Amino acid sequence: KAGVTQTPRYLIKTRGQQVTLSCSPISGHRSVSWYQQTPGQGLQFLFEYFSETQRNKGNFPGRFSGRQFSNSRSEMNVSTLELGDSALYLCASSPGQGRDEQFFGPGTRLTVL
Amino acid sequence: GENVEQHPSTLSVQEGDSAVIKCTYSDSASNYFPWYKQELGKRPQLIIDIRSNVGEKKDQRIAVTLNKTAKHFSLHITETQPEDSAVYFCAARNSGYSTLTFGKGTMLLVSP
Repeated sequence: KAGVTQTPRYLIKTRGQQVTLSCSPISGHRSVSWYQQTPGQGLQFLFEYFSETQRNKGNFPGRFSGRQFSNSRSEMNVSTLELGDSALYLCASSPGQGRDEQFFGPGTRLTVL
Repeated sequence: GENVEQHPSTLSVQEGDSAVIKCTYSDSASNYFPWYKQELGKRPQLIIDIRSNVGEKKDQRIAVTLNKTAKHFSLHITETQPEDSAVYFCAARNSGYSTLTFGKGTMLLVSP
């Protein structure tokens, strides 16, 4: 099976702009989780979607949002970008329904100038 | 919520030595504990995991142990090789949720 894919791989934005990142999970996986990775804070959970519904949300401001489509592909959006939003954004797919393993995509490197 | 502490933050060993990375968790309801390896510029890769109904699991040169009473789990790598050099993350998952809480990571350096 093909692995988790994320687009774009790199993004450069300026403060105040908004950005949309995309994640395509492994075929058959219904759960997609998003994480922010920074050198100082490590891997921090943003939110998780299962069957188009947000099941869990981390402690991030409302500028961070997401959604999942009927084919399990997911997008996350960050509005009004701040310098501190510069990070590697990783998505992870999981079969869901009691299957625990999460498999990560390559990430999107977002730089906010 | 869950809190995962990971030690040490850096670990340097000689090729052929063993390496041990330790994690503690706070939520006694956590029941799934994966370990990920992340090489520079690459995605985190699941290398081994353990569930709360098991005390130890091995896969070739790597093993994970779990002590539910003490709420800690450890990754053991034997006969380390230079290609084991990477950042290793432990994580814990609460049975009621699907989210993973990660430790801060351990940078393992294996010198030839």
